[in-house]
Amino acid sequence: NAGVTQTPKFQVLKTGQSMTLQCAQDMNHEYMSWYRQDPGMGLRLIHYSVGAGITDQGEVPNGYNVSRSTTEDFPLRLLSAAPSQTSVYFCASSRRGVDTGELFFGEGSRLTVL
Amino acid sequence: GNSVTQMEGPVTLSEEAFLTINCTYTATGYPSLFWYVQYPGEGLQLLLKATKADDKGSNKGFEATYRKETTSFHLEKGSVQVSDSAVYFCALKNNFNKFYFGSGTKLNVKP
Repeated sequence: NAGVTQTPKFQVLKTGQSMTLQCAQDMNHEYMSWYRQDPGMGLRLIHYSVGAGITDQGEVPNGYNVSRSTTEDFPLRLLSAAPSQTSVYFCASSRRGVDTGELFFGEGSRLTVL
Repeated sequence: GNSVTQMEGPVTLSEEAFLTINCTYTATGYPSLFWYVQYPGEGLQLLLKATKADDKGSNKGFEATYRKETTSFHLEKGSVQVSDSAVYFCALKNNFNKFYFGSGTKLNVKP
C-alpha cells in the first residue's frame, strides 16, 4: 500500500532556481492538496484540487503553481525559488464528500533555498 | 471564517501522567473535527476524528469529544507513554472539504 508518495524528500536550491515537487496517490482520491509546514505556524494550505483538471488556491499560493492532469498526480512547481520558501512541504489526499474523513499525508519534502 | 486554535507547547509530562491538549474552533456550517499526530521525521497521521456534535473519537487510548456548545475538541489520554512524544494537530474539515489546521502542540514525555 503506497498511499501518498512524495519526491524528493530533501532538496537544496539556490535563489531563482526552479523545481517541481512530485506527489502521487494510488487511492483514487479526488481531492489532493499541498501544505507547507513552518515552525510555530502549523500547516498552511498552498493549493488544492478537487479533481483532474480543477485546481484552486489556498491560503499561501504566491510563488507556487500546480496542475492536475490525472487523478493520481498533483505536482507543485516553484518557478523562481526564494529563501522564504524554505519549508517542509506535505502533499495530502482524501475522498470527496461531507462524511468522508481524513486526509492522507505523504512523508514530506524538506526544501532549503539558499 | 474557519480557524482552529490549540494550546501552545511544548507540553512536558512524566510517563503515566494525564494529558489534555486544548483545541477550539471557529467554523461555518457543520465541520468534522480531527486530531492528527506527527512523529519525528514523518508525515501526519490521523489519530481520531468526530463528524458531528457529541461524537467521541478514540484511538490508542486517546479521546476527544466534539462539543458544539463550547466549540471545542480537546484531546485527552489517561496515561501517556514515552512513545506518545510527538506533535499533535487539531483540524477541522468544512462542508467544502477544506481542512484547517491548528499550529500544533509538541508533547514530550519523560521516562
